Amino acid sequence: AQKITQTQPGMFVQEKEAVTLDCTYDTSDQSYGLFWYKQPSSGEMIFLIYQGSYDEQNATEGRYSLNFQKARKSANLVISASQLGDSAMYFCAMAQNTGFQKLVFGTGTRLLVSP
Amino acid sequence: DADVTQTPRNRITKTGKRIMLECSQTKGHDRMYWYRQDPGLGLRLIYYSFDVKDINKGEISDGYSVSRQAQAKFSLSLESAIPNQTALYFCATSWGRSNEQFFGPGTRLTVL
Repeated sequence: AQKITQTQPGMFVQEKEAVTLDCTYDTSDQSYGLFWYKQPSSGEMIFLIYQGSYDEQNATEGRYSLNFQKARKSANLVISASQLGDSAMYFCAMAQNTGFQKLVFGTGTRLLVSP
Repeated sequence: DADVTQTPRNRITKTGKRIMLECSQTKGHDRMYWYRQDPGLGLRLIYYSFDVKDINKGEISDGYSVSRQAQAKFSLSLESAIPNQTALYFCATSWGRSNEQFFGPGTRLTVL
């Protein structure tokens, strides 16, 4: 069975600073994908970034990067130059690469960005 | 216009009532999903579907049923709602081996 663990219930960061949100995973699959989603207070789920288990390079999308350490089974999200609009819940998720994205989610980390 | 829509957005109902949550998408995606979000538990998969003839149970399907009326429509039913089904429900879509799953805005359901 797949499992995602996010150990930080809440994180605080000042505007313009970088922040790392932790995610560890457990799976016996060789081929899988790791995802990060953002959920603002309005409730919608916003896709941020994806990392495939066979991708050799860490994924980056603008200010978001995924620090993928396969041997440690970790997939931490790094947000550079935090903005006030980054305040939200952040969920790490994973799925087997079967063609269906049956996402398994972590419990989330609430990020608060202060001025 | 939103690509993935859910109706209703909010619903309050009583124990024992039958409830249907509807999801429609204009993205042309073949795969559709229903998730449930409870505070402190993240999202959990209820059902997923490849097309109108393919329906699969997810992690927490007990107490729920689904119908894929067309490629663009995927409905979730609670035949006899109970209070612990109070949650935020999300519909989502994806296609092929795409790495992104697109979520609807969510339906907040309260069962009294």
